[in-house]
Amino acid sequence: SAVISQKPSRDICQRGTSLTIQCQVDSQVTMMFWYRQQPGQSLTLIATANQGSEATYESGFVIDKFPISRPNLTFSTLTVSNMSPEDSSIYLCSVGGPGTGGYEQYFGPGTRLTVT
Amino acid sequence: AQKVTQAQTEISVVEKEDVTLDCVYETRDTTYYLFWYKQPPSGELVFLIRRNSFDEQNEISGRYSWNFQKSTSSFNFTITASQVVDSAVYFCALKGYGQNFVFGPGTRLSVLP
Repeated sequence: SAVISQKPSRDICQRGTSLTIQCQVDSQVTMMFWYRQQPGQSLTLIATANQGSEATYESGFVIDKFPISRPNLTFSTLTVSNMSPEDSSIYLCSVGGPGTGGYEQYFGPGTRLTVT
Repeated sequence: AQKVTQAQTEISVVEKEDVTLDCVYETRDTTYYLFWYKQPPSGELVFLIRRNSFDEQNEISGRYSWNFQKSTSSFNFTITASQVVDSAVYFCALKGYGQNFVFGPGTRLSVLP
């Protein structure tokens, strides 16, 4: 399985600011995804990060709030913009598809974000 | 539409007891994949198993076993002789062919010494 790292592991931010989260994979993968996990909740898919093109966002998530970059097959960033306390969550990067061995997804360690 | 239900929000057992975590899914796809993930207190999601819709054979891995029944749309997970290290939130997930993952709400398992 792919080894995934995320930076930062956690952060405390003030409302109105932005935070960029990095996701690095140790091998080239086709699919990269960003999820949000609000406190005590399940995982919700934010978007699929597409290499070389705009990300595909799920209903309820927009590019202005969560801009995503994917410059190559091993790296992606998610920015949480103009943060409010409601953005306090764990943000997880995952990879799947060819290059990871099957249809399962493998997850990074997550970024714990607290917005004050 | 795809949906995953985990009716058990929280379960507490005493160490060495057996415990079964329930998962019921809904999909109109004939080809789909089912998964279980473990999320320990550290927060990282750990992949446990994948099952394809065309393979109903049950699987055992050490103390873990999975029972997949298409007739009841269930994919249950049993831990035998539970240990404190099994304490975590467990998520069942579904992926239809060509579709994104859908995660269940999770079951928090507490194994008491």
